[in-house]
Amino acid sequence: NAGVMQNPRHLVRRRGQEARLRCSPMKGHSHVYWYRQLPEEGLKFMVYLQKENIIDESGMPKERFSAEFPKEGPSILRIQQVVRGDSAAYFCASSSLTGMTGELFFGEGSRLTVL
Amino acid sequence: AQKVTQAQTEISVVEKEDVTLDCVYETRDTTYYLFWYKQPPSGELVFLIRRNSFDEQNEISGRYSWNFQKSTSSFNFTITASQVVDSAVYFCALSSTGTASKLTFGTGTRLQVTL
Repeated sequence: NAGVMQNPRHLVRRRGQEARLRCSPMKGHSHVYWYRQLPEEGLKFMVYLQKENIIDESGMPKERFSAEFPKEGPSILRIQQVVRGDSAAYFCASSSLTGMTGELFFGEGSRLTVL
Repeated sequence: AQKVTQAQTEISVVEKEDVTLDCVYETRDTTYYLFWYKQPPSGELVFLIRRNSFDEQNEISGRYSWNFQKSTSSFNFTITASQVVDSAVYFCALSSTGTASKLTFGTGTRLQVTL
């Protein structure tokens, strides 16, 4: 049973470039969450998606960040025109339950470094 | 607003010592869930426990135990007879039913277990 798969595990970008992070949820899970972990900090919620829908994006920066979870394929977190402050670990999690709190299964994270 | 406080930034113990990691939370919700996650040096997040607000029974799982006290809004985690493999960052987290598994994390406690 494959867990939550994230790629790339490590990504290096120069300021102004775009970063795309992918997340394939666990088999049978249709709920995906993205969290960001800045260096030496806890994880902070960014966005919650179901297939083809953004349910809660209250944690997403207003500019340059976007997320999608298409009908087919992985969820993608896209960061345009990256800046040094975007350097962080980005974790994806999935669950199979709506409404009530189900257990979140986290991926191993994608570590973005902006030069 | 929800908040999780892990006041201990870093703890260092010698193998076989017992260690308790503190977690204090704030929420206005009457129904909520508390979690502990482990983040070893490899970076992934490992789920340890989920506890709902109606269940104040303490839980023991091998060398791990959790003490949930609603009166003091605390959910402390004790490792008995610590081992080097327990070295990791431990995160306490909180969510409410109806928020679709959106977790609020503490800043984590780094545990270093030495020989």
